[in-house]
Amino acid sequence: GDSVTQTEGQVTVSESKSLIINCTYSTTSIAYPNLFWYVRYPGEGLQLLLKVITAGQKGSSRGFEATYNKETTSFHLQKASVQESDSAVYYCALGVLNMGYKLTFGTGTSLLVDP
Amino acid sequence: GPKVLQIPSHQIIDMGQMVTLNCDPVSNHLYFYWYKQILGQQMEFLVNFYNGKVMEKSKLFKDQFSVERPDGSYFTLKIQPTALEDSAVYFCASSGTGGALEQYFGPGTRLTVL
Repeated sequence: GDSVTQTEGQVTVSESKSLIINCTYSTTSIAYPNLFWYVRYPGEGLQLLLKVITAGQKGSSRGFEATYNKETTSFHLQKASVQESDSAVYYCALGVLNMGYKLTFGTGTSLLVDP
Repeated sequence: GPKVLQIPSHQIIDMGQMVTLNCDPVSNHLYFYWYKQILGQQMEFLVNFYNGKVMEKSKLFKDQFSVERPDGSYFTLKIQPTALEDSAVYFCASSGTGGALEQYFGPGTRLTVL
């Protein structure tokens, strides 16, 4: 089956410092999967942060970026300078189309930005 | 932005009872999904639904589970009968005609089976 691994359960970063949240994936799908980062801010629902459909491409949103690397099967999330408002839980997800479309999620990484 | 609503936010029931979780998807979306998240674990795909039919379901989607969306109303997940291991947060999602790729998620219904 498909799986997504996020190695860090919790990350604390000082404001204005850089961030990287690791994500690796594996899939048994014949086609290349699509890759996503979702975010859940405190008290809110899950929302899409960015997506990349094609291997080798980079997605970006709100200062975050992630590159779909099929060689290393990775999709790490990075930001050059975090803000306190970035404190949230970040989920990496893999999407495949079979009979229908489905997402496979990682366990999530809780980011706390210290002011 | 577009919002998916879920009713109720929390449901407590006794094992063996029936429960229906309701989802109000984004209007004009055609694809609907349920995911399950047990405390401390990742969110897992249960089922997707399109044009009145289940397209794909996971092994977590037991025989006691059913989904429907009668006449464009709520998209529902029914569990009958419930078991202790059904305790979890259930998330509904929907996506639009532009492609199934961007799923919009509801806030979840926390189901507690006693």
